[in-house]
Amino acid sequence: AQSVAQPEDQVNVAEGNPLTVKCTYSVSGNPYLFWYVQYPNRGLQFLLKYITGDNLVKGSYGFEAEFNKSQTSFHLKKPSALVSDSALYFCAVRRRLGANNLFFGTGTRLTVIP
Amino acid sequence: KAGVTQTPRYLIKTRGQQVTLSCSPISGHRSVSWYQQTPGQGLQFLFEYFSETQRNKGNFPGRFSGRQFSNSRSEMNVSTLELGDSALYLCASSLEASGSYEQYFGPGTRLTVT
Repeated sequence: AQSVAQPEDQVNVAEGNPLTVKCTYSVSGNPYLFWYVQYPNRGLQFLLKYITGDNLVKGSYGFEAEFNKSQTSFHLKKPSALVSDSALYFCAVRRRLGANNLFFGTGTRLTVIP
Repeated sequence: KAGVTQTPRYLIKTRGQQVTLSCSPISGHRSVSWYQQTPGQGLQFLFEYFSETQRNKGNFPGRFSGRQFSNSRSEMNVSTLELGDSALYLCASSLEASGSYEQYFGPGTRLTVT
């Protein structure tokens, strides 16, 4: 069975500081991993993905994530947070073979304090 | 390219009624997935259609159904609405080609059942 854990419901960070939003996953075989962001009353916006290759992947708006197979983690990072980064962030996993539906974490609300 | 569009954006229905939601995927995307988002259960997969065929189905009762047309547009139907069906319903499309497995989401349809 597939599952995703986002251990922190809320993350607060000061503007200009680095941010990390944590994600661990469980899936049979090698995973495809994704990060999405959701702003109020909006759908989910795709940020970045890990499919294969380099463990460090870069995405939209300066975000990046590191795939760590041994720790089954895929933490989202950004070197310098902006107030406009404040939103709800979701980590998602899917299997490489078979059903392509995404399994989402419960989300982490990021608040960047000016 | 235009993004995923969903209509209507908001719906208010009464218990026992039925509802149909519509989704137009990104041009060229043949896979369309539906998700339900609620505060209590988070994001849950409903079903996925590819080339007019349902490929995957989540763990929802038979009151939830869908279909896909030859132009890849999709509809989902919920019959005999219950209060617990109140949710944000998100449609997502994906290319499902080599390296391109991310799903792009529409803004959602907010369904309120009274």
